[in-house]
Amino acid sequence: EAQVTQNPRYLITVTGKKLTVTCSQNMNHEYMSWYRQDPGLGLRQIYYSMNVEVTDKGDVPEGYKVSRKEKRNFPLILESPSPNQTSLYFCASSLMGFDNQPQHFGDGTRLSIL
Amino acid sequence: AQSVTQLDSHVSVSEGTPVLLRCNYSSSYSPSLFWYVQHPNKGLQLLLKYTSAATLVKGINGFEAEFKKSETSFHLTKPSAHMSDAAEYFCVVASDNTDKLIFGTGTRLQVFP
Repeated sequence: EAQVTQNPRYLITVTGKKLTVTCSQNMNHEYMSWYRQDPGLGLRQIYYSMNVEVTDKGDVPEGYKVSRKEKRNFPLILESPSPNQTSLYFCASSLMGFDNQPQHFGDGTRLSIL
Repeated sequence: AQSVTQLDSHVSVSEGTPVLLRCNYSSSYSPSLFWYVQHPNKGLQLLLKYTSAATLVKGINGFEAEFKKSETSFHLTKPSAHMSDAAEYFCVVASDNTDKLIFGTGTRLQVFP
C-alpha cells in the first residue's frame, strides 16, 4: 500500500531534549516536505527536499533541521525543542515537486514540548 | 506574492443540503490550485486540483470547484452533503516561482442530521 509513515504519532517531551520525527515513503517520490499545523494558521512549510541531498527552507525553518540521505526517508530533527514548537506535524511527498502532483500526507505527529 | 484566503472558518449545513466553501487567491501567474480535506486524526487528502485545463474541476466524493479568474476565486461545492463530509477543508495555491504550497487557514465543515 502506498503510504507516508510518520513516527512517533504522539510525543510529550521537555524543553531542550533533542528529538527526531521520522518520515518514510514507499512510492519512490522525489519531493518530500514537512509542515506544522497550528489552529487558525493552516499548514506552514518547515523544510522541503527536491531529491536526495537537496533540502531547502520553507516558511518556518527556525529551530528545525532535516536531512535527506536516502530517497525514502526525510527525518525532522529538533535539536533543542522549545514550547513554541508544540504543534501537529505532517510529512508529505509527491512524485516530482508539487506542481500538478498531489501531495501524499502522513497521519501526523502531535508534539507537546513542556 | 501568492496568498490564499478561506472566507469562512466554520460552515454548518444539514445533511442533504448543498455545501459551499469559499476560497479566494492571489497569484501573479496562472495558478495551480488545490482543495484538500482533513478528517480527524488523519493527514490531508487531495480532493481536486486545477492546473489551467477545464475551469470546472470534478473531484472525489462528489465535490467540484470552479476556477473564476475574474473573481480570483476557487470555491468548493457539493450538491448534497453527507455526514461523512464533516471535516476540515484547505484551499491551497502553488507558489509562482518556488517549490512551495501555500495553505489557507482552513474551513471546518459540520454536517447535521
